[in-house]
Amino acid sequence: QKEVEQDPGPLSVPEGAIVSLNCTYSNSAFQYFMWYRQYSRKGPELLMYTYSSGNKEDGRFTAQVDKSSKYISLFIRDSQPSDSATYLCAMTGGFKTIFGAGTRLFVKA
Amino acid sequence: GAVVSQHPSWVICKSGTSVKIECRSLDFQATTMFWYRQFPKQSLMLMATSNEGSKATYEQGVEKDKFLINHASLTLSTLTVTSAHPEDSSFYICSCLAGDYNEQFFGPGTRLTVL
Repeated sequence: QKEVEQDPGPLSVPEGAIVSLNCTYSNSAFQYFMWYRQYSRKGPELLMYTYSSGNKEDGRFTAQVDKSSKYISLFIRDSQPSDSATYLCAMTGGFKTIFGAGTRLFVKA
Repeated sequence: GAVVSQHPSWVICKSGTSVKIECRSLDFQATTMFWYRQFPKQSLMLMATSNEGSKATYEQGVEKDKFLINHASLTLSTLTVTSAHPEDSSFYICSCLAGDYNEQFFGPGTRLTVL
């Protein structure tokens, strides 16, 4: 079993839709949770960083962490074609960061 | 956020030659840098952890004699792919630890094509 599971997609949604991206993990030692956005042929860009269970909002993005279920989510409201990218979850409990496989998102105009 | 640069952004080389990729932290000092490889439509694969002033720590299955890492200063780490072969063609990305929570900030990546 992988330490972090993430559906690779692709996920295709119409413009304006609410997007839900998810990851599950097995290691309860993970304490910090991140979401990165990666455009094609570019390096990943840090979107959200959370520590505790609950929600964290930044503009159209909301990161949600449920440590009891070992489940994290990223919600994108009013999705735009420019949101089309691969979204990677990542988590760390110390020094090493473990990345999910990434979910490819396509937002159609 | 912290800015990380990589050079070159892309390189094409002949099989058997060596290629050096630079990773720089532009507005901060990075004691620790990471090198990743990413094949098309796949996630990041950590190759090694580079610590300033000491030997890099390689992940299992990564040949340290083939992928030479040098972290000679707090703002520069280099990855040299020695005797490159077509199967080494990939997207190489570095990252640095920075920020209040030691988040990873990534460079823009270097696309290597070995003919």
